[in-house]
Amino acid sequence: DAGVIQSPRHEVTEMGQEVTLRCKPISGHNSLFWYRQTMMRGLELLIYFNNNVPIDDSGMPEDRFSAKMPNASFSTLKIQPSEPRDSAVYFCASSVGQGEWNEQFFGPGTRLTVL
Amino acid sequence: AQSVTQLDSHVSVSEGTPVLLRCNYSSSYSPSLFWYVQHPNKGLQLLLKYTSAATLVKGINGFEAEFKKSETSFHLTKPSAHMSDAAEYFCVSYSSASKIIFGSGTRLSIRP
Repeated sequence: DAGVIQSPRHEVTEMGQEVTLRCKPISGHNSLFWYRQTMMRGLELLIYFNNNVPIDDSGMPEDRFSAKMPNASFSTLKIQPSEPRDSAVYFCASSVGQGEWNEQFFGPGTRLTVL
Repeated sequence: AQSVTQLDSHVSVSEGTPVLLRCNYSSSYSPSLFWYVQHPNKGLQLLLKYTSAATLVKGINGFEAEFKKSETSFHLTKPSAHMSDAAEYFCVSYSSASKIIFGSGTRLSIRP
């Protein structure tokens, strides 16, 4: 059975370009999380959706970042314009139920490099 | 404020010997605590979680952790390390007040 699917797996772009990361959660899961992982800051929760509604976006760094979940099977994280400091691995995770305390299933991540 | 401290950034053990990965938490509230494992180029996978039931929690792959409130610790142990245990391990805390917080991670290496 398919786990959380993320695309692309690797993205290299130039500063100022728009970047869109995509995530397909596990079927039947109704919570979705976006994380960023860097050496300096470790793993940080960016935003969390429940039933396609953003519940907590307090971790979104700034207005350049936006996330959407138009339906239960798809979510995007967009960075516009991108900056070198956005370089990181971005993970999407999904879970059953509401709340970060439930077991989260992580995708393989998207490694973003902004030159 | 809530925080999670993983006391070792890197632990190296020989195959077949015990594993101890240390985690201390601080929280004004009784947190839920988790251990996740991340293999190279993969996402995180839940090993085990504590949610105020039994203080000794058993997880997958022979791992277990003990919640010690008096020491504010939640150390991860395994009696006998296997080569496949080499990975990064994250201690994670959640409370309704402070949300989810990840420790900085401990890289576990296994010597043949």
